[in-house]
Amino acid sequence: EVQLVESGGGLVQPGGSLRLSCAASGFTVSSNYMSWVRQAPGKGLEWVSVIYSGGSTYYADSVKGRFTISRHNSKNTLYLQMNSLRAEDTAVYYCARDKWEANAFDIWGQGTMVTVSS
Amino acid sequence: QSALTQPASVSGSPGQSITISCTGTSSDVGSYNLVSWYQQHPGKAPKLMIYEGSKRPSGVSNRFSGSKSGNTASLTISGLQAEDEADYYCCSYAGSSTFYVVFGGGTKLTVL
Repeated sequence: EVQLVESGGGLVQPGGSLRLSCAASGFTVSSNYMSWVRQAPGKGLEWVSVIYSGGSTYYADSVKGRFTISRHNSKNTLYLQMNSLRAEDTAVYYCARDKWEANAFDIWGQGTMVTVSS
Repeated sequence: QSALTQPASVSGSPGQSITISCTGTSSDVGSYNLVSWYQQHPGKAPKLMIYEGSKRPSGVSNRFSGSKSGNTASLTISGLQAEDEADYYCCSYAGSSTFYVVFGGGTKLTVL
């Protein structure tokens, strides 16, 4: 079965760090464009970051310089390292696959909640 | 890059058709045929309904269709059913010199 399972969310203080994981099964992470998308409580979706199959990475302006997307090929897992966290980073974080490299997120994880608060 | 503009809410009765608009700019919707639409039920992950403006992934009902004219994309749902009640988001590629993706603010569909 093709699926994504996120983990690593939790409560962190402002200025702190957290690393999210997204374990894939049924397909190969490194062969696909993989993104992180977040959703603040009661708000809409916001694209966060992407890693190409070739390894190039890109970020939304709101997280550039603070977040880092990466993957571990042998573990078939995607990561999001989040540093210098702010209250406005509080959200459910989803990982998603863009199967056709066409801005079409066809597989989503269940999401993991990140709360930034003192 | 600014978010795409969607109506906050739309409604329709069972069996009717509704259309949700998604307005962007010449830098995103107007420049690329890379608009996708997502359905999200409360507490659930989004589900891809339309990609590349008008293509349906396998398993998505043909009651869902997409189109684009200029800087505005549209999602039409025909033969409304109770289970269509959800939030709908449009999404467009917006990169020129770099990769960028923008979402719409979302539209709450109520089936009366």
